[in-house]
Amino acid sequence: KAGVTQTPRYLIKTRGQQVTLSCSPISGHRSVSWYQQTPGQGLQFLFEYFSETQRNKGNFPGRFSGRQFSNSRSEMNVSTLELGDSALYLCASSTAPGQSQPQHFGDGTRLSIL
Amino acid sequence: AQSVTQLGSHVSVSEGALVLLRCNYSSSVPPYLFWYVQYPNQGLQLLLKYTTGATLVKGINGFEAEFKKSETSFHLTKPSAHMSDAAEYFCAVSNYGGSQGNLIFGKGTKLSVKP
Repeated sequence: KAGVTQTPRYLIKTRGQQVTLSCSPISGHRSVSWYQQTPGQGLQFLFEYFSETQRNKGNFPGRFSGRQFSNSRSEMNVSTLELGDSALYLCASSTAPGQSQPQHFGDGTRLSIL
Repeated sequence: AQSVTQLGSHVSVSEGALVLLRCNYSSSVPPYLFWYVQYPNQGLQLLLKYTTGATLVKGINGFEAEFKKSETSFHLTKPSAHMSDAAEYFCAVSNYGGSQGNLIFGKGTKLSVKP
């Protein structure tokens, strides 16, 4: 069974640009969550989607947005990039939402802002 | 409110020695607890999870963890460290969604294994 696939693995952008990251969950998994990982802040929750609906949203500015498609694939978008957006962005999928469901992570997209 | 504290941001052990990574949690309800491992340039891999039932949980790669409700702890152990265990380990506690999502992570403990 294929794992969670995130594309691209690496991205370099400049300030003010926008970026779209993609996540394909494990087959059969319908819940997708996104996290930002930085050395200073650790793992921070961005948002969670289930059945094309955003269920939860973390404390990030409106520049961060996401969506989920009918096949459970998800994208996140960051507009007007800032230097502080440099991070590893991780996507995780689970069979369904809920605190008992283990999340399975992809290898992430490393975003560098110049 | 749920929270996780991992004691020690860096732990160093010799190959063959006991590995002990500490995790304490705070939860207003019976928690679900998880340990994840992250190797360089990779995502997080689930090592083990505690939901209900047996308090001693066995995971992959020879790791295990014991849920101790009275101590609000979920420490991760491995009897004999291997060089390949060098990685960063994250403890996580379940949460009821909202702005922190379904999982709250600790800050992580970086494990080094000396030959």
